[in-house]
Order: sequence, then structure tokens, then C-alpha cells
Amino acid sequence: KNEVEQSPQNLTAQEGEFITINCSYSVGISALHWLQQHPGGGIVSLFMLSSGKKKHGRLIATINIQEKHSSLHITASHPRDSAVYICAVMEYGNKLVFGAGTILRVKS
Amino acid sequence: NAGVTQTPKFRVLKTGQSMTLLCAQDMNHEYMYWYRQDPGMGLRLIHYSVGEGTTAKGEVPDGYNVSRLKKQNFLLGLESAAPSQTSVYFCASSYAHRGAGELFFGEGSRLTVL
Repeated sequence: KNEVEQSPQNLTAQEGEFITINCSYSVGISALHWLQQHPGGGIVSLFMLSSGKKKHGRLIATINIQEKHSSLHITASHPRDSAVYICAVMEYGNKLVFGAGTILRVKS
Repeated sequence: NAGVTQTPKFRVLKTGQSMTLLCAQDMNHEYMYWYRQDPGMGLRLIHYSVGEGTTAKGEVPDGYNVSRLKKQNFLLGLESAAPSQTSVYFCASSYAHRGAGELFFGEGSRLTVL
């Protein structure tokens, strides 16, 4: 079993839909990151969370430390949101482990 | 402010050749990481460093060596390249702040081993 599990693996949405991507992990962590990677592109950091909730524009990230679960929400989705979204956890000892990613496609 | 810079961006090697990938960051970050990304497998940690002069093994360290002689540079070496090491390699860095800071990534280095 992977230490970091993401769901769904693939997601297709219509423009304007509300999107949720989930991340579950099995180890103790000091922080959780949500990252975005466009096709053929580099990786950018969206959020770093250690508790609670953060919002940036149309993106919202939440984390429940007790349940070892985090969600990334995209409101009013747009085709430019199409990308791979990756969850990564910082384990105690500063080892950073990634989930396999969720491939999101938003159709206009 | 260059952020995280990886060199080279592209390289083709023959089996058995050696090479070094350089990751340089100008943000005074303590933590640096090397990952490989393969289709359908996500990012896998090769080696990482929590400070100058320190290195540690990740999930897939075999066939790779690393060094962090200077805080700003993290080198990834392949002593004898194999076709299985064909991949896209990403370097990342972050500062240490109560165990974690925002991550910054290089643009990736595409390596092909024939």
C-alpha cells in the first residue's frame, strides 16, 4: 500500500463544475502539499497545509490531521485548470513522499 | 531571482556512460530533493538532503549518488547509466520552518539512456 493515496486517478468535468480531489496518507506528517503540473510543464506549489483550511482564488485546500485526509477543491472550474494535481506529504524526518497524481480535464 | 535551476535540461546517454545533474537554488534553502517521474508512476524520491554536507536515501536510490558540498547545490550522479534510468528528473527545495516550507521545483531534466 502506498503511503499517499489520491483519488480519483482521472477526472473529467464540464466547465463551471465544482471539483474535489482527495488525498489520504498513512504516516505521521508535519505538512501536506498540493502541487499542479501542466502537460509537459514544470511543477508549481499550490498550498502547504499543516492544519485547517486555505483558500487562494478558486482553489480551496483542507486537511484533517486526525483522519489523515486532505481535499483540494476547485470552484467554477475552467479548461485552464486542466492539469495533474499532486498531493505530497512531509514525513517526520523531512522525507517528502508524493501521491501518484490526479489527471484533471475540464471541458468547455 | 532564479529560484531552482536544473542543468542540463536534456541529455542522451549510452548505456554505461556516466553523468551528473546539477540542481542549484538561490533561496538559501536547507532542504533539497531529487525525484524521477515516470509515466503512470508519479514522482519517486531518489535522494534528499536536509542541509549542507548531509544526504539520505529515498525510495529508489540504487544506481544514483548525490553530494551536497555547498548549501546551494545538490548534485545527482549516474555512475553507469542504464536504460531503466530513462526518465524526467526533478529537483525541489524548501526552507526549514517548523519542519516544512513551501516547495520550489526546477523545470526538469529529461534523460534518455540508449
